[in-house]
Amino acid sequence: EDKVVQSPLSLVVHEGDTVTLNCSYEVTNFRSLLWYKQEKKAPTFLFMLTSSGIEKKSGRLSSILDKKELFSILNITATQTGDSAVYLCAVLNYFEKLTFGTGTRLTIIP
Amino acid sequence: DSGVTQTPKHLITATGQRVTLRCSPRSGDLSVYWYQQSLDQGLQFLIQYYNGEERAKGNILERFSAQQFPDLHSELNLSSLELGDSALYFCASSGRGTGNTEAFFGQGTRLTVV
Repeated sequence: EDKVVQSPLSLVVHEGDTVTLNCSYEVTNFRSLLWYKQEKKAPTFLFMLTSSGIEKKSGRLSSILDKKELFSILNITATQTGDSAVYLCAVLNYFEKLTFGTGTRLTIIP
Repeated sequence: DSGVTQTPKHLITATGQRVTLRCSPRSGDLSVYWYQQSLDQGLQFLIQYYNGEERAKGNILERFSAQQFPDLHSELNLSSLELGDSALYFCASSGRGTGNTEAFFGQGTRLTVV
């Protein structure tokens, strides 16, 4: 059975800190790994990663994938209160099956 | 705007009733996924359709059913509703042809069973 595990489950840091969120997976026919941010409503798409070792970057957020060790990390530097959210990792396989982890709840204290 | 449309936005109904939630995927997307999210819980995968056919099934109750129509919109039917079915129901779509495509979410339908 396909599995996506995120850690930590919850993280509380002060504004300005840097955080690293982890996502490991066991998925057959891996195609891509996706990161989402969920605040009060629907998850919003952040990154899609398909190749190992290539960093994707958007402002203070960046992510990288290691297909050999089967994990990805999401980094957020200089955190702001607006970064408080649940961050979801999901893996898509070649049969269009999308498997989500349970998420990491990030809380930024001003 | 993700391009995925869900209706209705909110729904309040009594126990024992039946409701239908509707999802229109992004133009060209062939896959539709349904998820349930209870208060402060993670996304629970219910079911996936790809181009009209059921592709994968998660923790979907027998009281729940879904289908995807020829125009690719999907409906999730929830029957004999119980208080515990109160949740946010999300639909996501993906799968434009053979390229790598991310999945985008609709804004969800909030179901309250009273």
